[in-house]
Amino acid sequence: AQSVTQLGSHVSVSEGALVLLRCNYSSSVPPYLFWYVQYPNQGLQLLLKYTSAATLVKGINGFEAEFKKSETSFHLTKPSAHMSDAAEYFCAVTAYSSASKIIFGSGTRLSIRP
Amino acid sequence: IAGITQAPTSQILAAGRRMTLRCTQDMRHNAMYWYRQDLGLGLRLIHYSNTAGTTGKGEVPDGYSVSRANTDDFPLTLASAVPSQTSVYFCASSAGDWDEQFFGPGTRLTVL
Repeated sequence: AQSVTQLGSHVSVSEGALVLLRCNYSSSVPPYLFWYVQYPNQGLQLLLKYTSAATLVKGINGFEAEFKKSETSFHLTKPSAHMSDAAEYFCAVTAYSSASKIIFGSGTRLSIRP
Repeated sequence: IAGITQAPTSQILAAGRRMTLRCTQDMRHNAMYWYRQDLGLGLRLIHYSNTAGTTGKGEVPDGYSVSRANTDDFPLTLASAVPSQTSVYFCASSAGDWDEQFFGPGTRLTVL
């Protein structure tokens, strides 16, 4: 079974500052991990995914995430925040198994201060 | 390329009424899903379908039913709506269970 925990329901950073959104997972088998973004009044769209290849994964819009097995973490980062990054971000976990379903975290709302 | 479409965009419904939310994908994905999104609770899986002709229950299936007569369509039915079903409903699809999911734009449902 898999589970995912996102630390912090709301994160606020200044424009140009580092963005760090935290995600920890639990999985009894090697996980597949995802970050999705949801802009207001829209569905979720994929930012990036980890599927057991390189541990540092680069996504769209300058975001990246690093898979750290020892810490069971998959934190999302961006060096310099833009106003357009304001959105809800969801971490998700699954595994390569016919019995697995993607499990989503509860989400982190990112606000950007001018 | 449309991806996933959902209808209606929004709906206000009287309690006790029957309602079907429509979902259609044009990516020939095997798997389809229905989620509800409520403030502070993230996304919760209602029902899913691994392939046409099969369906399964998710985390919060009570009060909802689905069917998967073909690959493209995955309607969600509320047989007798209750106010606690007020939510935003998202349909999603993926090539396989463990693949990334593609989401529709959502249906905002209010049950009075």
